[in-house]
Amino acid sequence: SQQGEEDPQALSIQEGENATMNCSYKTSINNLQWYRQNSGRGLVHLILIRSNEREKHSGRLRVTLDTSKKSSSLLITASRAADTASYFCATVTSGGSYIPTFGRGTSLIVHP
Amino acid sequence: EAGVTQFPSHSVIEKGQTVTLRCDPISGHDNLYWYRRVMGKEIKFLLHFVKESKQDESGMPNNRFLAERTGGTYSTLKVQPAELEDSGVYFCASSQDLRTETQYFGPGTRLLVL
Repeated sequence: SQQGEEDPQALSIQEGENATMNCSYKTSINNLQWYRQNSGRGLVHLILIRSNEREKHSGRLRVTLDTSKKSSSLLITASRAADTASYFCATVTSGGSYIPTFGRGTSLIVHP
Repeated sequence: EAGVTQFPSHSVIEKGQTVTLRCDPISGHDNLYWYRRVMGKEIKFLLHFVKESKQDESGMPNNRFLAERTGGTYSTLKVQPAELEDSGVYFCASSQDLRTETQYFGPGTRLLVL
């Protein structure tokens, strides 16, 4: 069964607004990672949050993790046109393989 | 430091033909991974090399797919014969060791089977 599921599938906002994407998963995790993919490019690792962490920041990115609800959110504040990309969450399960399991991604469009 | 590179960037072939994708990981990275994304679906793990050995190939769809990493440097993924459902983007990633957790991805090869 699929692990990470991002929501929404697509998001369209204006420059300067905040963008929030959610990820739900099914099994216990060791960590959860968020990646970005710009059109025609590879995935770029954004942030990793461990199962014992609740919130993490990196620049304009804020990630939260709620292990009781098996969900995570990625907030991009003051979005820019350059943030237009697909965003994926990936989970690494507890006690298992180190291989991350990806979801389908959220497609974000930021209009200038 | 050069990133992960993949070749070709795009490939259009007919059903039944053979295609070979190549991945050059970051120098010194023992771990190399192949993933595939079919249009609109999730990115799926295919297999994992540690140096030249296949550590985990549980994601390989069937025996039409053959991955190699001779010498523990670059890797190839051959699809023979290609079917329509093989179309998608094939990503390669590498990491220094499993404890590093962060994988570095290449730009992908976009494969279209007609």
